[in-house]
Amino acid sequence: QSALTQPPSASGSPGQSVTISCTRTNSDVGGYKDVSWYQQHPGKAPKVMIYEDNKRPSGVPHRFSGSRSGNTASLTVSGLQADDEADYYCYSYAGSNTWLFGGGTKLTVL
Amino acid sequence: QVQLVQSGGGVVQPGRSLRLSCAVSGFPFSSYDMHWVRQAPGKGLEWVAVISYDGSNPYYGDSVKGRFTISRDNSKSTLYLQMNSLRADDTAVYYCAREFSKVTLFHWGQGTLVTVSS
Repeated sequence: QSALTQPPSASGSPGQSVTISCTRTNSDVGGYKDVSWYQQHPGKAPKVMIYEDNKRPSGVPHRFSGSRSGNTASLTVSGLQADDEADYYCYSYAGSNTWLFGGGTKLTVL
Repeated sequence: QVQLVQSGGGVVQPGRSLRLSCAVSGFPFSSYDMHWVRQAPGKGLEWVAVISYDGSNPYYGDSVKGRFTISRDNSKSTLYLQMNSLRADDTAVYYCAREFSKVTLFHWGQGTLVTVSS
């Protein structure tokens, strides 16, 4: 069964860029390796920031971008702002009609 | 405007049952697969279950398989999660979510807290 591994924390100063990784292990999921990324502020529902590896929903700032190389997906936040401080989760298909989230990364804006 | 409005959470004793609801508006409910996701206090997101657009194919995470049942009423644009044999480790905020593509949950409910405690 697949697992998605994220670093527990990341940080950067305002204006800087930070990249969060999401690495898939046990990747027997056929062609469904695409990843989406979610931002979650405390006490709020998650919000999709990137879907299908690198697509940005309407209304999400261009400062958020995504990519994937093989079994590792990345979320990059450029021009960090205070409101970017949140938890970020990757999400993907795990095989056998199940899905999973990464463990989450707490992004701190210094 | 897309809305997913959840109800049905609360405090329940171990071993008892609870049913969550998610009333949807703003998109053609019967055209989309729907998911439940939960988040234990202070923990990360955990995928719980999915049901196909027509209700014919439900699938579950290992931690809830055999105890939880996902269902939908397309005539009422409502998603359900029937939770039986509840345990303390089922305590979490439960979210309903609309699938956009196979690996994207585009819209989310506001979440509802389920507390399993004696």
